Amino acid sequence: RKEVEQDPGPFNVPEGATVAFNCTYSNSASQSFFWYRQDCRKEPKLLMSVYSSGNEDGRFTAQLNRASQYISLLIRDSKLSDSATYLCVVSRSGGYNKLIFGAGTRLAVHP
Amino acid sequence: DTGVSQDPRHKITKRGQNVTFRCDPISEHNRLYWYRQTLGQGPEFLTYFQNEAQLEKSRLLSDRFSAERPKGSFSTLEIQRTEQGDSAMYLCASSPKTGSYEQYFGPGTRLTVT
Repeated sequence: RKEVEQDPGPFNVPEGATVAFNCTYSNSASQSFFWYRQDCRKEPKLLMSVYSSGNEDGRFTAQLNRASQYISLLIRDSKLSDSATYLCVVSRSGGYNKLIFGAGTRLAVHP
Repeated sequence: DTGVSQDPRHKITKRGQNVTFRCDPISEHNRLYWYRQTLGQGPEFLTYFQNEAQLEKSRLLSDRFSAERPKGSFSTLEIQRTEQGDSAMYLCASSPKTGSYEQYFGPGTRLTVT
């Protein structure tokens, strides 16, 4: 079993839709949590960190449930430019050490 | 451009040959990471440097792989006696000593072993 598991994709949604991605992690020693975005044939880029209290950045909302070891990402009012692969990421030591990535969930937003 | 740079961007080699990749981190970043990504998977950690010290190595890093970071600046990743299973995208990332936890990734080196 992989340490970080994500919803299998792809998600195909129309513009304006709300879409939610789920992720679970197996190591309770995980301390830091992130969502990265990766465009086709490009490098991953940090989308947002995820905090226990939940956090929002514009149309993006991330939630963390430490008890269930569950992370989510909600995208509201999807744009064509949101089409990408979304990677759920955990780290065991404040993010300074290695990042452990899920396999990613591909999102395709269509007109 | 002051981001992480990697060279070469693409490398095609025959099985059994040695290859070396270079990563130049963001100048004030003292932490440097190597990851490997295959199609349909997320990046997998290979190794980590803090300044010139290699502090962690993954079990994925077999004895055919070696990484260095002389003087705590650029880093090289060498693969000896390449195998077809080594074909992947090799990503380098760097992060600052304090402050943001974000790791900034370079564009990667795509290796194809024929």
